[in-house]
Amino acid sequence: VQLVQSGAEVKKPGASVKLSCETSGYTFVTYYIHWVRQAPGQGLEWMGMINPSGGSTNFGQKFQGRISMTRDKSTSTVFMDLSSLRFDDTAVYYCARGDDSTHSRWFDFWGRGTLVTVAS
Amino acid sequence: SSELTQDPAVSVALGQTVRLTCQGDTFRSYYASWYQQKPGQAPVLLIFDKDSRPSGIPPRFSGSTSGDTASLTITGAQAEDEADYYCSCRDSSGDLVFFGGGTKLTVL
Repeated sequence: VQLVQSGAEVKKPGASVKLSCETSGYTFVTYYIHWVRQAPGQGLEWMGMINPSGGSTNFGQKFQGRISMTRDKSTSTVFMDLSSLRFDDTAVYYCARGDDSTHSRWFDFWGRGTLVTVAS
Repeated sequence: SSELTQDPAVSVALGQTVRLTCQGDTFRSYYASWYQQKPGQAPVLLIFDKDSRPSGIPPRFSGSTSGDTASLTITGAQAEDEADYYCSCRDSSGDLVFFGGGTKLTVL
């Protein structure tokens, strides 16, 4: 299993960024993909998830209205768009493969992360 | 509540046992997963679905839950266990996910 993320980005405040996460080594539509970010020196923050099978999404309340996730089944790739960027969106953004049981949810494989820097 | 509370920093003597805790109401309904993160690296899954370990994770790592508190126990801490540790869980609706603030573990 591999999750390969796109390269670092530098954006101005107010701009948008689109990150990609290309997966391989498993059946793409079988597992959700989640996005988790980490600001410099800070902890992990869950942003949302996409079901690659049907494309349905779920987002953290903090990001509602400025985040979207899409997928391309032909390339087993998930995309995450974040708009109206602010300085405090500067972070490493990880994609992770998610799995569920009735009473749990976990992330078993992670990408290496993409650094997004918001600077004027 | 969706908040997960972890101690910011914990230390343990080499070879001793340490328990890292994560408090949150959601643990009355769901199990925690636990992650280890070393500087400059992506997190690594340690414990999932109550107390399961992925292949390759040493048996010195174990998980448990009691009431509103989930715990990660390291039995016989090694120098390479010095890292940040995060708990995670579904929220009360089951749809969303939250992380604790993380615990920085120092092995003395």
